[in-house]
Amino acid sequence: DVKVTQSSRYLVKRTGEKVFLECVQDMDHENMFWYRQDPGLGLRLIYFSYDVKMKEKGDIPEGYSVSREKKERFSLILESASTNQTSMYLCASSSHTPVEPQQYFGPGTRLTVT
Amino acid sequence: AQTVTQSQPEMSVQEAETVTLSCTYDTSESDYYLFWYKQPPSRQMILVIRQEAYKQQNATENRFSVNFQKAAKSFSLKISDSQLGDAAMYFCAYRSLHSGGSNYKLTFGKGTLLTVNP
Repeated sequence: DVKVTQSSRYLVKRTGEKVFLECVQDMDHENMFWYRQDPGLGLRLIYFSYDVKMKEKGDIPEGYSVSREKKERFSLILESASTNQTSMYLCASSSHTPVEPQQYFGPGTRLTVT
Repeated sequence: AQTVTQSQPEMSVQEAETVTLSCTYDTSESDYYLFWYKQPPSRQMILVIRQEAYKQQNATENRFSVNFQKAAKSFSLKISDSQLGDAAMYFCAYRSLHSGGSNYKLTFGKGTLLTVNP
């Protein structure tokens, strides 16, 4: 089974702190994604990466950056956390092969910024 | 740009009954994938069912089946013999069939919260 893991289930940070959210997948997937999920807004794509060291902005990249130095790991960085970044963050991965086009999700990190 | 609309923010069903969740989408592409994902409370998002647009036959997975109407751009999910464990947020999603860059992205609807009553 594909396994996508995220470094923390719950995280509490203070305004202005630098925050790192880590995601690791074990299926050699080329693509990795970061979403935030808010009630009534569904899932919104922050950034994605379709290869090592490659990254593309999603729909809401402002206030975030990402890093993908290794194929299995995709990090989301909040340079200076703000209260409006309090949310559930979901990581996902997928393959380039058309045989398996779906994304596999991690358990999520619920981030609270106070 | 593609859009996915789930017009039912919440639905409820009695245990053992059948429920249908609606999804419509808009795209100018002719080849694509459609998905239904399930997110139980405080648990991981998992794939329920997948449909390739070039396949005429509707996908089924045990008690879950879809009604895919390509011309109408409609993709509904039917859950038969509903169980308490089916209670979850359900998301409809779209992906281009093509490969490369942004074609790997999923476009999600806002979700339908399904309650199963005993």
